[in-house]
Amino acid sequence: NAGVTQTPKFRVLKTGQSMTLLCAQDMNHEYMYWYRQDPGMGLRLIHYSVGEGTTAKGEVPDGYNVSRLKKQNFLLGLESAAPSQTSVYFCASSLQGGNYGYTFGSGTRLTVV
Amino acid sequence: SQQGEEDPQALSIQEGENATMNCSYKTSINNLQWYRQNSGRGLVHLILIRSNEREKHSGRLRVTLDTSKKSSSLLITASRAADTASYFCANAGGGATNKLIFGTGTLLAVQP
Repeated sequence: NAGVTQTPKFRVLKTGQSMTLLCAQDMNHEYMYWYRQDPGMGLRLIHYSVGEGTTAKGEVPDGYNVSRLKKQNFLLGLESAAPSQTSVYFCASSLQGGNYGYTFGSGTRLTVV
Repeated sequence: SQQGEEDPQALSIQEGENATMNCSYKTSINNLQWYRQNSGRGLVHLILIRSNEREKHSGRLRVTLDTSKKSSSLLITASRAADTASYFCANAGGGATNKLIFGTGTLLAVQP
């Protein structure tokens, strides 16, 4: 049972480039989330999904887009990367939102130069 | 921001001692959760306490919740070097249970 898998684990982008981060879960969870973690700021919610085909904005959605075409996958896109998006990105899933514990992926470390 | 705060920001203790971390939050909650994050890894769910509970135990972990003070504490008893990690509280605040809002974390160092 893999849980939550994030790819890639590391990436360096140049300013203005685009990329997609992939999150896959095999637990049949309805809810999926993308957070970013920056030093001293904890985790901040970017976007989330409450089921296949749905997405919603979190606390810091600007500069990011997401898609949930399949229940097991949640994609995070950066259309035009900026240095301010240098961060560690975590995907998480949950059976039923905040009423249950989250299962986290191991993270993607992104550097934008 | 609904983000909670952990106190202290950093804590250093000796192996075998108890470690206590506190969490304050801003809105009414459905439940409060604690997570551990080892360096360079993802977060791991430790324990969930519901708003109608006052105390919960799991192994060496003890969590308390005081909804009147909007605060929670995590106690790790008989700490071990392997407990060295960052600890985060999280809550589904403001009546919205779709998502968790995380605090800024406490960095615990357990010296062998």
